[in-house]
Amino acid sequence: EVQLVESGGGLVQPGGSLRLSCAGSGFTFSGHDMDWVRQAPGKGLEWVGRTRNKAKSYTTNYAASVQGRFTISRDENSLYLQINSLKTEDTAVYYCVSYQSLVPYWGQGTLVTVSS
Amino acid sequence: EIVLTQSPATLSLSPGERATLSCAASQSVSSSYLAWYQQKPGLAPRLLIYDASRRATGIPDRFSGSGSGTDFTLTISRLEPEDFAVYYCQQYGTSPITFGQGTRLEIK
Repeated sequence: EVQLVESGGGLVQPGGSLRLSCAGSGFTFSGHDMDWVRQAPGKGLEWVGRTRNKAKSYTTNYAASVQGRFTISRDENSLYLQINSLKTEDTAVYYCVSYQSLVPYWGQGTLVTVSS
Repeated sequence: EIVLTQSPATLSLSPGERATLSCAASQSVSSSYLAWYQQKPGLAPRLLIYDASRRATGIPDRFSGSGSGTDFTLTISRLEPEDFAVYYCQQYGTSPITFGQGTRLEIK
């Protein structure tokens, strides 16, 4: 069974940094594209960025709104999102998503709150 | 960027009625990469439909998806009380990946 578990969220002051993690199990992690998606309170879903699979050299791309402040990386079984220079508008639940044979699988999300 | 526009923004219906939700794309979307989700407060989105028309595991057959190119539809044949929620479409074949703004299905 495919499982994705995010962690690392919390309360952070504006200007701070945070690293989110997403642990995957039940599938060959390196073989699949992975996304980060976020949802601000009371708002819709916003794609943050993607890391491609091993065969595509783990290349990454980002939404224009986060380019330069967000960095996606991965290792053998986990996906990461490094967020720098946090702003209040980054407050959101952050989800990781894995695509397997066209089927998207989502984690339960981790809440990031940016506030002084 | 492929913009997905969902309509209506809010749909007010009664249990037992049929719901039809639309997702219009600003340019052609590969049907293989079109999904529909249901979301309830405080929960992660729940995958209903992928590949435009394939039901995800465990999804009741009252949910169906159709469409191709730039026009896609989610139909709920007979609404159950637990179906009242927010629904999103997503295209994930072309970067940037995009979502519709959502349709709120509320009890009339």
